[in-house]
Amino acid sequence: AQTVTQSQPEMSVQEAETVTLSCTYDTSESDYYLFWYKQPPSRQMILVIRQEAYKQQNATENRFSVNFQKAAKSFSLKISDSQLGDAAMYFCAYPNFGNEKLTFGTGTRLTIIP
Amino acid sequence: DTAVSQTPKYLVTQMGNDKSIKCEQNLGHDTMYWYKQDSKKFLKIMFSYNNKELIINETVPNRFSPKSPDKAHLNLHINSLELGDSAVYFCASSQDPQTGHISYEQYFGPGTRLTVT
Repeated sequence: AQTVTQSQPEMSVQEAETVTLSCTYDTSESDYYLFWYKQPPSRQMILVIRQEAYKQQNATENRFSVNFQKAAKSFSLKISDSQLGDAAMYFCAYPNFGNEKLTFGTGTRLTIIP
Repeated sequence: DTAVSQTPKYLVTQMGNDKSIKCEQNLGHDTMYWYKQDSKKFLKIMFSYNNKELIINETVPNRFSPKSPDKAHLNLHINSLELGDSAVYFCASSQDPQTGHISYEQYFGPGTRLTVT
């Protein structure tokens, strides 16, 4: 069964600094996708970034980028120039092959220090 | 235009009652989901429907019954509510993969916070 692990329950970063959130996963598939979702206090789930496993290049969306290490089954999220609005729970997620249900990690609560 | 909407956003009720949560998506997606987020923020799939057909039922008590009248709607009915049902329930939708393992991101509704007293 696919599993997703986020080992950092909480992280904090100074405003304008860079922070990296970790995620590891387990799968027997060779072709798959990975997502990072953000959940601010409003509780809305917002897709931050997605990575396709067959692509060598790490995905980037403005200040958000990933470090995808397929062999190590690692998928970390880097947030550059952190802003107060980045404060949220961040969830790593893996869509299961065939039925597409998302398996989520336990989340990392990110605090931005002004 | 709200892509995935849920009603109500908040629901407070007593043990033993029956309640429903409604979900609608206007994205033209074929697949819809219900997720439960517990007090520790852990998110877990409950059900998935593809074009009105049940695809996933993840060990959810029989008191929970999803209903999909059409592919744009997926409602969740809960009978005989228990204290442990208190959680945030999210509806989501995604485009149906046409061929192979093509995963489209899921779009989530705003969530319904259910409190059972």
